[in-house]
Amino acid sequence: QSVLTQPPSVSGAPGQRVTISCTGSSSNIGAGYNVHWYQQLPGTAPKLLMYVNNNRPSGVPDRFSGSKSGTSASLAITGLQAEDEADYYCQSYDSSLSALVFGGGTKVTVL
Amino acid sequence: QVQLVESGGGVVQPGRSLRLSCAASGFTFSAYGMHWVRQASGKGLEWVAVIWSDGSNQYYADSVKGRFTISRDNSKNTLFLQMDSLRAEDTAVYYCVRDRGGWPADYFDYWGRGALVTVSS
Repeated sequence: QSVLTQPPSVSGAPGQRVTISCTGSSSNIGAGYNVHWYQQLPGTAPKLLMYVNNNRPSGVPDRFSGSKSGTSASLAITGLQAEDEADYYCQSYDSSLSALVFGGGTKVTVL
Repeated sequence: QVQLVESGGGVVQPGRSLRLSCAASGFTFSAYGMHWVRQASGKGLEWVAVIWSDGSNQYYADSVKGRFTISRDNSKNTLFLQMDSLRAEDTAVYYCVRDRGGWPADYFDYWGRGALVTVSS
């Protein structure tokens, strides 16, 4: 059971918009700790996709956007493309565990 | 360009030890904190440990505390993970990861390709 809760899967047709939620608690996201997102393509290492809630590293398309409110965060993908099919993970810090924590991951399928 | 190359993975019996190494290049290694993150087959990501840039502090996940030791040699641009008293549940791909943000605001901007550790009799 992950400290940060993500839906196991989301799907959408090419061109559509999908969102991935990341729900935490008062000891992590709700305490003000930042949320970061990673994309893991099949058979590869994770890659930083979004940092400090809503900042894209160089090279990440602006189709990806992040937000944070209260005890939750979200990653949105607009104009979904086949190459976006991957696993996505949120990450933050939990003060009760004194540890960095990940969500369980969400598999995005492009229909 | 930033490169992180893990080595030292393999098959080990329960209760035995293994040491992973990570050779870093393409950046000033001594200026960055470093982490190990692991992923069991078909499962999600789990943070394992962090070491500060100068090696002065280390933090561990509860699941490995007291059994694993993270260390570094800044003169050789190398990160280590000493894993003792290994258990079947430690079986995973172990990623060497560069830190940004600083504890506890850390996030991970560069990842190695990973080293597979299998704990089995």
